[in-house]
Amino acid sequence: EVQLMETGGGLVQPGKSLKLTCATSGFTFSTAWMNWVRQSPEKGLEWIARIKPKSTNYATEYAESVKGRFTISRDDSKSSIYLQMNSLKEEDTATYYCTMEVLGFDYWGQGVMVTVSS
Amino acid sequence: DIQMTQSPPVLSASVGDRVTLSCKASQNINKNLDWYQQKHGEAPKLLIYYTNNLQTGIPSRFSGSGSGTDYTLTISSLQPEDVATYYCYQYNSGYTFGAGTKLELK
Repeated sequence: EVQLMETGGGLVQPGKSLKLTCATSGFTFSTAWMNWVRQSPEKGLEWIARIKPKSTNYATEYAESVKGRFTISRDDSKSSIYLQMNSLKEEDTATYYCTMEVLGFDYWGQGVMVTVSS
Repeated sequence: DIQMTQSPPVLSASVGDRVTLSCKASQNINKNLDWYQQKHGEAPKLLIYYTNNLQTGIPSRFSGSGSGTDYTLTISSLQPEDVATYYCYQYNSGYTFGAGTKLELK
């Protein structure tokens, strides 16, 4: 059974940093395309980052809204992906989902809440 | 950026109704569109990929169609468990979700 579980969310002040982790199991992680998608009442669903497998030299893509502030990475030995979020803004407040992409975003974690507020 | 406009924002229908949800792109997206269903308190679920391909395990009452800028998700006979918000998502140029259509029971 495919499982994805996000951790690391919480309350953080504007300008600070936070790192999310998505631990996975039940599939061949090393060849998987992995993404972060976030959801807020204000912006709705928003794709924010993708990391591809080693065969692509771990190619990454970012939404313009997070480019230069967020970094997606992966550790194939731990079947995990990460989202390092720096210079956080109040508009980054959202539920963050880890997703595995095959035909679309086929599998999702349960999501983790990030609140950016002073 | 490509904008995705879903209509209507809220749709009330009765069990057994045929329901049609619309998604319009601001430019041609070449059928590069998926549909997701999100029930309250849950993560979204992939229903349809590449306009008209049913994801494994999704009931056959769901179908997708469209081309160019106009796309449709159809539920042939609405069931109580279909109450959810439905999102379209384009990946032709950038990656954009629509704002969703909330489907309620009448």
